[in-house]
Amino acid sequence: GAVVSQHPSWVICKSGTSVKIECRSLDFQATTMFWYRQFPKQSLMLMATSNEGSKATYEQGVEKDKFLINHASLTLSTLTVTSAHPEDSSFYICSATKRTVDRDTQYFGPGTRLTVL
Amino acid sequence: AQTVTQSQPEMSVQEAETVTLSCTYDTSESNYYLFWYKQPPSRQMILVIRQEAYKQQNATENRFSVNFQKAAKSFSLKISDSQLGDTAMYFCAFTLQGAQKLVFGQGTRLTINP
Repeated sequence: GAVVSQHPSWVICKSGTSVKIECRSLDFQATTMFWYRQFPKQSLMLMATSNEGSKATYEQGVEKDKFLINHASLTLSTLTVTSAHPEDSSFYICSATKRTVDRDTQYFGPGTRLTVL
Repeated sequence: AQTVTQSQPEMSVQEAETVTLSCTYDTSESNYYLFWYKQPPSRQMILVIRQEAYKQQNATENRFSVNFQKAAKSFSLKISDSQLGDTAMYFCAFTLQGAQKLVFGQGTRLTINP
């Protein structure tokens, strides 16, 4: 199997605080993980590509200083929303790529709902 | 840049019926992969089926099958004998070979009625 977990599943914080979301590949190693943001009834918007041992690659329009990504091991990537504001409230989803001899497959975490008051 | 378009925002069918979800994409590359993902109310993204562009044979997974038309850049999903548990958002997605990064369509909300 290929299981990806996220923690926490939901979080409420006050405006101006920072929030860290963890993404773990439980039964495989992932050199590459991805972070998405999803607004209600909309598609997934890729925020950044997280590469183990190197800096993340951010998509155009995503503030790297606002959304800090760390991929310190082959099974863990973290997304920190710094100085969160109400407009950062959203559903954040991570995915991890499982590589086999003949294919790469992305497996998704269950998501984290962030509410900033 | 690659784009994926799903022109059906919502669909609704009766249980046990067959339903087809449409997807078109645009790319100038020849080596790529296409996917259908399902997102039920729990919001967990689940891979339904994948298709390698170099394969002419359409992929099938139990009740799910695709109609891959490479020249037309079309990739539709057919769900046979639909079940209540098939109710979900369905996303068509594209990735270039070796790139890993997925490009998603807007999604189709499918409701299976009892």
